[in-house]
Amino acid sequence: DTGVSQDPRHKITKRGQNVTFRCDPISEHNRLYWYRQTLGQGPEFLTYFQNEAQLEKSRLLSDRFSAERPKGSFSTLEIQRTEQGDSAMYLCASSLRDSDEKLFFGSGTQLSVL
Amino acid sequence: RKEVEQDPGPFNVPEGATVAFNCTYSNSASQSFFWYRQDCRKEPKLLMSVYSSGNEDGRFTAQLNRASQYISLLIRDSKLSDSATYLCVVITTSGTYKYIFGTGTRLKVLA
Repeated sequence: DTGVSQDPRHKITKRGQNVTFRCDPISEHNRLYWYRQTLGQGPEFLTYFQNEAQLEKSRLLSDRFSAERPKGSFSTLEIQRTEQGDSAMYLCASSLRDSDEKLFFGSGTQLSVL
Repeated sequence: RKEVEQDPGPFNVPEGATVAFNCTYSNSASQSFFWYRQDCRKEPKLLMSVYSSGNEDGRFTAQLNRASQYISLLIRDSKLSDSATYLCVVITTSGTYKYIFGTGTRLKVLA
């Protein structure tokens, strides 16, 4: 499978715990995005990498959220001290610079904070 | 005001009907536009890009009006399988390269 891969598909955690999600983009894609989506809403931009550089982080993202893309390939999104309001689908997407700009999504990680 | 706005619907239409969705964007510097389709509990998938001259893909037609800052999607001869949420997407390049999604418009095609 050469699409965007996310792991895990589902995560249930207790409030206050830390969680980490992984995203493997399409191999030649140099841009990687993280989005959050709640029921009835469109995907909300969280952060964006071009290669290993994090170029933008949403103002809505608290300092409990951190993302990395250490070698310009896979990325991780960590949420520290989770809160019930963090419950959402976390979507990763990738695209190739200087191409047709199409954005491809992974299947997402559904987070439930109890 | 949201950067990308859509009527959330739902639009309930009979099979075979023609239905149109609009989407408005606030950033006049936006340069690229797309429609994505999202099925329940699935990830968004690209439906079609939207070009300045308008473009068609089978039963689907997309239009862009830069002067009024809106894009549209027309679906002809609706099928039951068209039932989904349709997301309008705009790329802004003010400093970085960001894809902004609308809230989506729900379509339900009825037998």
